[in-house]
Amino acid sequence: AQSVTQPDIHITVSEGASLELRCNYSYGATPYLFWYVQSPGQGLQLLLKYFSGDTLVQGIKGFEAEFKRSQSSFNLRKPSVHWSDAAEYFCAVGAGSSSNTGKLIFGQGTTLQVKP
Amino acid sequence: DGGITQSPKYLFRKEGQNVTLSCEQNLNHDAMYWYRQDPGQGLRLIYYSQIVNDFQKGDIAEGYSVSREKKESFPLTVTSAQKNPTAFYLCASNMQGGAGELFFGEGSRLTVL
Repeated sequence: AQSVTQPDIHITVSEGASLELRCNYSYGATPYLFWYVQSPGQGLQLLLKYFSGDTLVQGIKGFEAEFKRSQSSFNLRKPSVHWSDAAEYFCAVGAGSSSNTGKLIFGQGTTLQVKP
Repeated sequence: DGGITQSPKYLFRKEGQNVTLSCEQNLNHDAMYWYRQDPGQGLRLIYYSQIVNDFQKGDIAEGYSVSREKKESFPLTVTSAQKNPTAFYLCASNMQGGAGELFFGEGSRLTVL
């Protein structure tokens, strides 16, 4: 069965420090992978997505993620965190075939706290 | 601007009452989805619809019902059969029901008193 695991429930980093949020997925075929960000009480906003091609993808707000098939991972990174990056981050996987239903499977989320 | 509108943003209900959450999109998307969010559990799929007048159960459909009479609208009813309805509900949509990016509404928070 498809699944997504975000091992870190809560992460605290200092402003200006680098960030890496982990995501591991389980899926038999070629996955479509996404990272979303959610501010408290708000909907989810897409940060970036991977469908195919270059395994290092760039997103909005200075985020990037790298797809590593051998490790079934899609970790999110940012070289220098800003206080406004404090939010909850979700990794998601979708099926990569035309027969799929378009459903995404989401991880449990990682809450990022930024220290001044 | 195109987007997804959910209403109401906050809703309180007494036990035993049904409540309907509205979701409207003007993105011309074919597929629409309802997710439930609880702390520490991520998002779980309740129902989805890929075309008007058709919808399928997701992973946690018990106690919920939906309709899709118009392409733009996908209301969710939380019935009295839902044992733990207090949650944050998110509506989303995407093109053609494929594995493309989901666009989300701002969410509706339901509290059962």
